[in-house]
Amino acid sequence: KAGVTQTPRYLIKTRGQQVTLSCSPISGHRSVSWYQQTPGQGLQFLFEYFSETQRNKGNFPGRFSGRQFSNSRSEMNVSTLELGDSALYLCASSDGTSGGDEQFFGPGTRLTVL
Amino acid sequence: AQKITQTQPGMFVQEKEAVTLDCTYDTSDPSYGLFWYKQPSSGEMIFLIYQGSYDQQNATEGRYSLNFQKARKSANLVISASQLGDSAMYFCAMREGSGGYNKLIFGAGTRLAVHP
Repeated sequence: KAGVTQTPRYLIKTRGQQVTLSCSPISGHRSVSWYQQTPGQGLQFLFEYFSETQRNKGNFPGRFSGRQFSNSRSEMNVSTLELGDSALYLCASSDGTSGGDEQFFGPGTRLTVL
Repeated sequence: AQKITQTQPGMFVQEKEAVTLDCTYDTSDPSYGLFWYKQPSSGEMIFLIYQGSYDQQNATEGRYSLNFQKARKSANLVISASQLGDSAMYFCAMREGSGGYNKLIFGAGTRLAVHP
């Protein structure tokens, strides 16, 4: 089985621009979660999508949004980029139906905002 | 309120020795799950081990075991027979509730260095 893939792996943007990151989960997984990792704040949960519906949301401003398609692929969008949005963005996929199922992480997208 | 606490920013261990990475958590939900992940310098998060709040036995996965002390709200990771490839960041994480909702709360992490 192929693992979780994220594209692009690296991205450089300037303040005020917007960006879209993509995540393809493991085949058969219906849950995709997004996390932001920064040196200062650590790993923080952004949101989770399950069967095309947002099921959970973290404490991030509305500039951060996401969606999930019928094939479970998910995209995350950040509008009006700020310097503080520079981070490693990780997505994780899981079956999403059991409280104990493991989340498999992708390699991440490293976003740099100049 | 901080829900996952990892008090060791950095640890080092000699190759082939065992090491314990500390993790304490705080929750009022009787149903929760505790995870440990390894993050090498490449950035990818690698799942190591899981412990459910109702599990009677401590979880083990190969060289990894979880020392789960529910009353103390601690879930320490024990790595036996350390290898050079174990050098990485280690994160403890918690998921509250049941039903498959996937929101992990992570600790700040512990950087482990394995010396030859």
